[in-house]
Amino acid sequence: AQSVTQLDSQVPVFEEAPVELRCNYSSSVSVYLFWYVQYPNQGLQLLLKYLSGSTLVKGINGFEAEFNKSQTSFHLRKPSVHISDTAEYFCAVSEGGGSYIPTFGRGTSLIVHP
Amino acid sequence: KAGVTQTPRYLIKTRGQQVTLSCSPISGHRSVSWYQQTPGQGLQFLFEYFSETQRNKGNFPGRFSGRQFSNSRSEMNVSTLELGDSALYLCASSPTGGISTDTQYFGPGTRLTVL
Repeated sequence: AQSVTQLDSQVPVFEEAPVELRCNYSSSVSVYLFWYVQYPNQGLQLLLKYLSGSTLVKGINGFEAEFNKSQTSFHLRKPSVHISDTAEYFCAVSEGGGSYIPTFGRGTSLIVHP
Repeated sequence: KAGVTQTPRYLIKTRGQQVTLSCSPISGHRSVSWYQQTPGQGLQFLFEYFSETQRNKGNFPGRFSGRQFSNSRSEMNVSTLELGDSALYLCASSPTGGISTDTQYFGPGTRLTVL
């Protein structure tokens, strides 16, 4: 069965600093990987996804993530954050050869300080 | 295009009652999925409907049910409410229904409080 671990429940960072939100997954088959963002009182919005091909995936709002199969990781990065990036971030995985139901991590709260 | 809409946005019920939540997907989207989000369990998949048929189901008791209409609008019903059903219920739609690969577009959710 697939599972997702977001290693940090909360990440505080100052504005214009770089940030990395960590995500590790567990699966016995090929996977598809997603990062979503949730702003207060809103639903989730897709930031980026990895289905196949280049392991470096670029998304919206300046975010990117790198798929590392050997380390079963899909960490999200942004070189310079803004106050408006303060939100909850969710990593999700679905299996290509098994259950198609996506499994979400518990979320990482990114807090950007001025 | 209008986004995914969910009604109502907030709901307060008492234990033992039942509740129906509604979701209107983005125009042209045929797949609708439902999720429960709680602080304790995080985001959990409830079920997915595609062309009026339940195609995938998560690990929830039979008190949780849903349906989809011919216009792709979906409803979910929870019967005999329990305190633990208090949660944010999110609906998501996608164009073709391949929820393993499709981008899902989420609504703002319905906040259900069970007293």
